[in-house]
Amino acid sequence: AQSVTQLDSQVPVFEEAPVELRCNYSSSVSVYLFWYVQYPNQGLQLLLKYLSGSTLVKGINGFEAEFNKSQTSFHLRKPSVHISDTAEYFCAVTGTDSWGKLQFGAGTQVVVTP
Amino acid sequence: ETGVTQSPTHLIKTRGQQVTLRCSSQSGHNTVSWYQQALGQGPQFIFQYYREEENGRGNFPPRFSGLQFPNYSSELNVNALELDDSALYLCASSQPGGAQETQYFGPGTRLLVL
Repeated sequence: AQSVTQLDSQVPVFEEAPVELRCNYSSSVSVYLFWYVQYPNQGLQLLLKYLSGSTLVKGINGFEAEFNKSQTSFHLRKPSVHISDTAEYFCAVTGTDSWGKLQFGAGTQVVVTP
Repeated sequence: ETGVTQSPTHLIKTRGQQVTLRCSSQSGHNTVSWYQQALGQGPQFIFQYYREEENGRGNFPPRFSGLQFPNYSSELNVNALELDDSALYLCASSQPGGAQETQYFGPGTRLLVL
């Protein structure tokens, strides 16, 4: 079984500043990792995913994440945020033997202010 | 827009009633997963259907059941509703294809149990 811990429940950030959202996972098997974004009253949109290969993954809207196997982390970063990045962000994991059955973290609320 | 649709968008039921939620998959997708997202929490995996058969289940009681139809649309049924069943219910469709598979989420159905 897998589990995910998102270390920050809320992250306030000023417009054009960088942001980092932290995610740690645990698993007894190899994993696939994901970051999703949820805007108010909407479903989930995939930002990026790590399946294999390069540990630095680039996604949509200028986001990127780095997979660190030794630290069991998958932190999300954006060098310069916009007001429109205000949303809830979820880290998710699935075992390579249980594809499609995602375990989500509790979420990090990002609030971008001018 | 992901091409995954859910109905209804909102629903109010009373404790003890039964409810059916519906999901239409993105074209070409034969796998549907259902998730429950309680207020302020991350989504929790309920179950997954692949080619009309249940293909994995999370930690939910048997009063949560599902169906997948030949056109790969799906239903989630919940019997004997409890107050704690109030949540956003999300479905996600995907096409198994090895490591490139991505789950696409619908906008969700918000269920309130009174």
